[in-house]
Amino acid sequence: KNEVEQSPQNLTAQEGEFITINCSYSVGISALHWLQQHPGGGIVSLFMLSSGKKKHGRLIATINIQEKHSSLHITASHPRDSAVYICAPTGTASKLTFGTGTRLQVML
Amino acid sequence: GAVVSQHPSRVICKSGTSVKIECRSLDFQATTMFWYRQFPKQSLMLMATSNEGSKATYEQGVEKDKFLINHASLTLSTLTVTSAHPEDSSFYICSASAQGRGGYNEQFFGPGTRLTVL
Repeated sequence: KNEVEQSPQNLTAQEGEFITINCSYSVGISALHWLQQHPGGGIVSLFMLSSGKKKHGRLIATINIQEKHSSLHITASHPRDSAVYICAPTGTASKLTFGTGTRLQVML
Repeated sequence: GAVVSQHPSRVICKSGTSVKIECRSLDFQATTMFWYRQFPKQSLMLMATSNEGSKATYEQGVEKDKFLINHASLTLSTLTVTSAHPEDSSFYICSASAQGRGGYNEQFFGPGTRLTVL
């Protein structure tokens, strides 16, 4: 069993839809990153959170430390949101453990 | 947000040559830098953790003599792939860590370097 499980693995949505990506982890963590990787390969850190909820534009991330679960929500999705979204809990020495990623494609 | 650059973005080299990749934090001082490798359709794999002025800590299975890491300043780390072979062809990504609120260190990622060894 992977230490970090993401669901779904692949997601196709229509423009404007509300999207949720889930992450469950079994490792002990101090915080959790949500990352976005575009087809070109570059990675953007969307959020780092250790409790509660954070919002940035159309993106919302939540975490429940007791349940070892985090979610990333995208409101009013757009084709430019198409990317791979990666959940990465942060453990000791700031090391990240990476989920397998969720490949999102938003269609017009 | 914090910006991390990598150079070069793409490199093609002959087998047996050495390739140096630079990672710079442009607008902050990074206490720690991380080097990752990513093969197609796979997750990032941590290669090593680098702190300024000290030797890098390599992950199990990563040859320290093959992947030389130098972290000379708080804004620059370099990864040198020595005697590169085709199996070293991969996407190499660095990240730089800055002390955040509450002691949590957020990582900011460079754009990556695609290495192709012929």
